[in-house]
Amino acid sequence: QSVLTQPPSVSAAPGQKVTISCSGSSSNIGRYSVSWYQQLPGTAPKLLIYDNIQRPSGVPDRFSGSKSGTSATLGITGLQTGDEATYFCGTWDNSLTAVVFGGGTRLTVL
Amino acid sequence: QLQLQESGPGLVKSSETLSLTCTVSGGSISDGSHYWGWIRQPPGEGLEWIANINYSGKTYYNSSLKSRVTISVDTSKNQFSLQLSSVTAADTAVYYCARHSKVGSTTYYCDFWGQGTLVTVSS
Repeated sequence: QSVLTQPPSVSAAPGQKVTISCSGSSSNIGRYSVSWYQQLPGTAPKLLIYDNIQRPSGVPDRFSGSKSGTSATLGITGLQTGDEATYFCGTWDNSLTAVVFGGGTRLTVL
Repeated sequence: QLQLQESGPGLVKSSETLSLTCTVSGGSISDGSHYWGWIRQPPGEGLEWIANINYSGKTYYNSSLKSRVTISVDTSKNQFSLQLSSVTAADTAVYYCARHSKVGSTTYYCDFWGQGTLVTVSS
């Protein structure tokens, strides 16, 4: 069971918007910033968002992040079929002194 | 561009020790602002963080694996390594090496990942 909680799956139509939630606690999201990763089928995870809201160079602004209290959210607008992937949230946990991840959310673009 | 590449046996026998090495190119592992770590993903499952280490040898471990894990760094070769002892079928997974970046005291993220290597534990 993952320390961070994500919905197992979400779906939306091309061109629409979707949000993916990530819930934690005061020892992780409540204290540290959140990062998000995109894992396309058969590939390694790729950093999508860091420091709650920052996008690495090359990541489209269709992807956005936010954080409030002990929860974080990834938003994707203008959905494309190429966005079909599994998305993971991650952060540090100071009770565990470890990196922790969510269980992953599989996005289907219908 | 920084690149990480995992190497090691793809098949390990049950009860033996899994050994993997990550070679870093396009940057120095001695960069003091980063940690270097391992993350695994069992088939069809999520990500599990294993451990990380910095250039001076400071380490952090997943407490559930700590008793079986050794992580080390070789700055002369720009490599870091993972050893996982007493493996079982539950250790079958794709193992990724990744650079961990730390900004200030509250921001941690994995910004560069290797392609991953599948390690299967056989009986």
